[in-house]
Amino acid sequence: AQSVAQPEDQVNVAEGNPLTVKCTYSVSGNPYLFWYVQYPNRGLQFLLKYITGDNLVKGSYGFEAEFNKSQTSFHLKKPSALVSDSALYFCAVRDMSSGGGADGLTFGKGTHLIIQP
Amino acid sequence: ETGVTQTPRHLVMGMTNKKSLKCEQHLGHNAMYWYKQSAKKPLELMFVYNFKEQTENNSVPSRFSPECPNSSHLFLHLHTLQPEDSALYLCASSRTSGGNTGELFFGEGSRLTVL
Repeated sequence: AQSVAQPEDQVNVAEGNPLTVKCTYSVSGNPYLFWYVQYPNRGLQFLLKYITGDNLVKGSYGFEAEFNKSQTSFHLKKPSALVSDSALYFCAVRDMSSGGGADGLTFGKGTHLIIQP
Repeated sequence: ETGVTQTPRHLVMGMTNKKSLKCEQHLGHNAMYWYKQSAKKPLELMFVYNFKEQTENNSVPSRFSPECPNSSHLFLHLHTLQPEDSALYLCASSRTSGGNTGELFFGEGSRLTVL
């Protein structure tokens, strides 16, 4: 079975400061990893994904994430936070050994990111 | 505009009502999903359809009844729901072949309130 842990319910960062939202995962094989963002009363929007290759993945809105296999982590980062980054962020995983089937993603419980002006 | 459209966006129903949620995707995907989002809980995968065939049912109560008439449309029929079923119901779609990496594309959700 696969699982995702987001240890922080909420992260508070001052505007202009760097931000990190933490995620650790567990899969039996190699992982596909994803970050999604959800604004109030909206669906989930894809931010970025790690499939293979470079451990540092760049995505939308200046976000990036670093895959660390030894620590089974995939933390989301941004060098300089904006107030408009305030939202709910979800980490998700899929076991690469699942192949081409349709089996969905396993999500964490989400982390509220609050950027203070 | 999202490639996955959900209607209605908001629904209030009594415990004895029957209603349906609708999802339509315009992305040419073959797989469609229903997720339930409750406050402070991980997203719960409810149902998966691949080429119109249900491939996963995560022990969802029978008061939720999915229907997938084709790869572009997905319904969730609701009857005799309980107040704890109040949540945001999210529809998603994905590819299932050709280098599929499992990325899901979500609709805006249907906010359900059961009185």
